[in-house]
Amino acid sequence: EAQVTQNPRYLITVTGKKLTVTCSQNMNHEYMSWYRQDPGLGLRQIYYSMNVEVTDKGDVPEGYKVSRKEKRNFPLILESPSPNQTSLYFCASSPGALLRYGYTFGSGTRLTVV
Amino acid sequence: KNQVEQSPQSLIILEGKNCTLQCNYTVSPFSNLRWYKQDTGRGPVSLTIMTFSENTKSNGRYTATLDADTKQSSLHITASQLSDSASYICVVSGSGGSYIPTFGRGTSLIVHP
Repeated sequence: EAQVTQNPRYLITVTGKKLTVTCSQNMNHEYMSWYRQDPGLGLRQIYYSMNVEVTDKGDVPEGYKVSRKEKRNFPLILESPSPNQTSLYFCASSPGALLRYGYTFGSGTRLTVV
Repeated sequence: KNQVEQSPQSLIILEGKNCTLQCNYTVSPFSNLRWYKQDTGRGPVSLTIMTFSENTKSNGRYTATLDADTKQSSLHITASQLSDSASYICVVSGSGGSYIPTFGRGTSLIVHP
């Protein structure tokens, strides 16, 4: 089944403890992206990647890192999480950067930083 | 700055009724507009895509319209069902080289029996 898989689905952590949210897609998509979703603000892009080893900042990149060493994986790294990073996170992929095919989204990761 | 505004913010209707959701955008130059459905706690799923030359597109009980001149789109849901309860998100992509699509904040639809 074609899908984007995120792990974990739920995570509670403490301020400052480094964490990684994994994202993997099995559709050979070139384009991958991370979003956070907060009540009343909608989906905001954190980082995106147009292909292996090519990443760029979205609208809200502060406090996050990403890497794209393989086409299928695009992990999101929080080096020193803070409470304002408590949010619902989505990974998405698309066949190409022009996005005429739209996104396939993962099921989300609900992160709480205390 | 590219913006996508959706209205209403929330909507409650009775099962079986029709409803229309609105999306106004300022993204230019325009490439395409998508409507997504997002069930609570799940990732959004694409319903329709509209390009510049398309006025209307249907997907079952969902019909999207696009007026590229006024930069408005609507999503019409016919004979609503309880499973239509979700957030509906309008996403507009430009063709000017930016790979960051602009998301609306969504319309939360609740269908009551």
